[in-house]
Amino acid sequence: AQKVTQAQTEISVVEKEDVTLDCVYETRDTTYYLFWYKQPPSGELVFLIRRNSFDEQNEISGRYSWNFQKSTSSFNFTITASQVVDSAVYFCALTGSSYKLIFGSGTRLLVRP
Amino acid sequence: GAVVSQHPSWVICKSGTSVKIECRSLDFQATTMFWYRQFPKQSLMLMATSNEGSKATYEQGVEKDKFLINHASLTLSTLTVTSAHPEDSSFYICSALGLEGPYEQYFGPGTRLTVT
Repeated sequence: AQKVTQAQTEISVVEKEDVTLDCVYETRDTTYYLFWYKQPPSGELVFLIRRNSFDEQNEISGRYSWNFQKSTSSFNFTITASQVVDSAVYFCALTGSSYKLIFGSGTRLLVRP
Repeated sequence: GAVVSQHPSWVICKSGTSVKIECRSLDFQATTMFWYRQFPKQSLMLMATSNEGSKATYEQGVEKDKFLINHASLTLSTLTVTSAHPEDSSFYICSALGLEGPYEQYFGPGTRLTVT
């Protein structure tokens, strides 16, 4: 069975602080994909990143960076110099051979001015 | 890029009535679409997989007769909530699988259903 765990329910930081959102996954598939989505109050999911199981390279996109470690089954997301606009719920998700997307429970991030 | 639309964006209906939600892939063909439900402050839960021209596959615990899914064309899937009750009030999100594979899943903006 596939499972995604986001242990942090809510995180509150002050603007300009760095923050890391944790994601741990379980799967028996050898080929799988991991995702991060942002869900602002409007509800629409915003795609942030996709990573396949064969690519463990870390990625940086502006203030966002992702650390994928197969050895610990983790795919963590770091926001550097957080901004108020980063306030949202962030979901980590996993898909494999079934094509079904399994979401974690989400982490609510509040960035205070 | 690939765009998925949902209609309506929000709907209020009375208990006992049925409501239909449409999910359309606007600029690509989607043989597979998914329907998710999200209760307030919770995660997205997959309800069913909708395949064009065949019956939908429902996840365990989802009532097939209550949530009717029809994927009649390569660009349209519909979810009908039959005999709606207040506990069916939720945010319903669809997604469409692109032709490139499981990593190309495009989400609609969601439909907020309130049953009074």
